Amino acid sequence: DGGITQSPKYLFRKEGQNVTLSCEQNLNHDAMYWYRQDPGQGLRLIYYSQIVNDFQKGDIAEGYSVSREKKESFPLTVTSAQKNPTAFYLCASSHIRGLSSYNSPLHFGNGTRLTVT
Amino acid sequence: ELKVEQNPLFLSMQEGKNYTIYCNYSTTSDRLYWYRQDPGKSLESLFVLLSNGAVKQEGRLMASLDTKARLSTLHITAAVHDLSATYFCAVDGETSGSRLTFGEGTQLTVNP
Repeated sequence: DGGITQSPKYLFRKEGQNVTLSCEQNLNHDAMYWYRQDPGQGLRLIYYSQIVNDFQKGDIAEGYSVSREKKESFPLTVTSAQKNPTAFYLCASSHIRGLSSYNSPLHFGNGTRLTVT
Repeated sequence: ELKVEQNPLFLSMQEGKNYTIYCNYSTTSDRLYWYRQDPGKSLESLFVLLSNGAVKQEGRLMASLDTKARLSTLHITAAVHDLSATYFCAVDGETSGSRLTFGEGTQLTVNP
């Protein structure tokens, strides 16, 4: 079955450490996204990528970095520069919307809950 | 900047009752999405609305889109406990490329 796999499900880190969250998809989607969700709030876009080796900042990119070396993979690094990293992180993928034949919804992974103390 | 607002943010209702969740957005768009999220879980796609006047129904949920008013509604008919979840609308603005902007979510609780 096709889908999006995020790992790990739970992650604990000490303040000042960088941490990388994994996201892999086998849906053959070109576009991938990282969102952050804080308790009781909506989703905020961190970074997105529409093609390999290219990505764009979202609304809250400061303190985060990404790479897109393969179509299937879009890892997110939470750096020590991110002031409030504790949150639920969701990875998603889709066909590139806006093209005439693609208006597909985002497909989401099951998320990684990051706690930094 | 595209803004998406939902109301109400919290909704507690009795089983068997009807109610509507509203989603307003600030710029031109003809692509709107509704998602459901159970506590601690990921988001599940419910509806994709792609044109003015679009209406989609699935079970006790019906979604509609009015692009002229920049408004989408999610109507709940004869609510049941299983519908308890948080519902998000998301909008694809014409100039936003391939990215969605989400509303804050409506936390629905259906009481017996």
